[in-house]
Amino acid sequence: EDKVVQSPLSLVVHEGDTVTLNCSYEVTNFRSLLWYKQEKKAPTFLFMLTSSGIEKKSGRLSSILDKKELSSILNITATQTGDSAIYLCAVSTGTYKYIFGTGTRLKVLA
Amino acid sequence: NAGVMQNPRHLVRRRGQEARLRCSPMKGHSHVYWYRQLPEEGLKFMVYLQKENIIDESGMPKERFSAEFPKEGPSILRIQQVVRGDSAAYFCASSPDRGGNNSPLHFGNGTRLTVT
Repeated sequence: EDKVVQSPLSLVVHEGDTVTLNCSYEVTNFRSLLWYKQEKKAPTFLFMLTSSGIEKKSGRLSSILDKKELSSILNITATQTGDSAIYLCAVSTGTYKYIFGTGTRLKVLA
Repeated sequence: NAGVMQNPRHLVRRRGQEARLRCSPMKGHSHVYWYRQLPEEGLKFMVYLQKENIIDESGMPKERFSAEFPKEGPSILRIQQVVRGDSAAYFCASSPDRGGNNSPLHFGNGTRLTVT
């Protein structure tokens, strides 16, 4: 059965800290990996990583795909309270179905 | 460019009633997906539709649940004779093409269904 596992489940840091969120997957047919940020409402798209694009960066956020290790990390540097959210990882198996992990709940304290 | 629109945001139903959740995809998107999210759980795929067609409903319970995406109007997720276990957040997402290759899913704000 295809699955996506995220760790840690939750994390509490102080403003200015750097955090690394992990996502590992076991799927029959990998096509892409996506990161989303979910606050109180819609999951908002952050990054899509595929075989042809294994590293993405946007401001203080960056993500790397390790196809050998079947995993990805999401880094957030100089965290701010506005980064507090649930970060979701999802894997596409080449069809339209995305397999989501349970998410990492990040809380950034002022 | 409006995003994915879902309504209502919150819906309270008594056991046995029907719940109707609506979703209008982003402009130019003809692929719609419904996901369910329970507390402390990830998003679970329910159904994938294109205009007037159900492509895959394998994630949807066979009884009481149905979905449609008519030629005109929003996609509807219908839950008949709701039970307490149906209480969850239901998210709709859309994409301009068959997801999984080049286009990420864009999500609406969800409908939080509470069954009393």
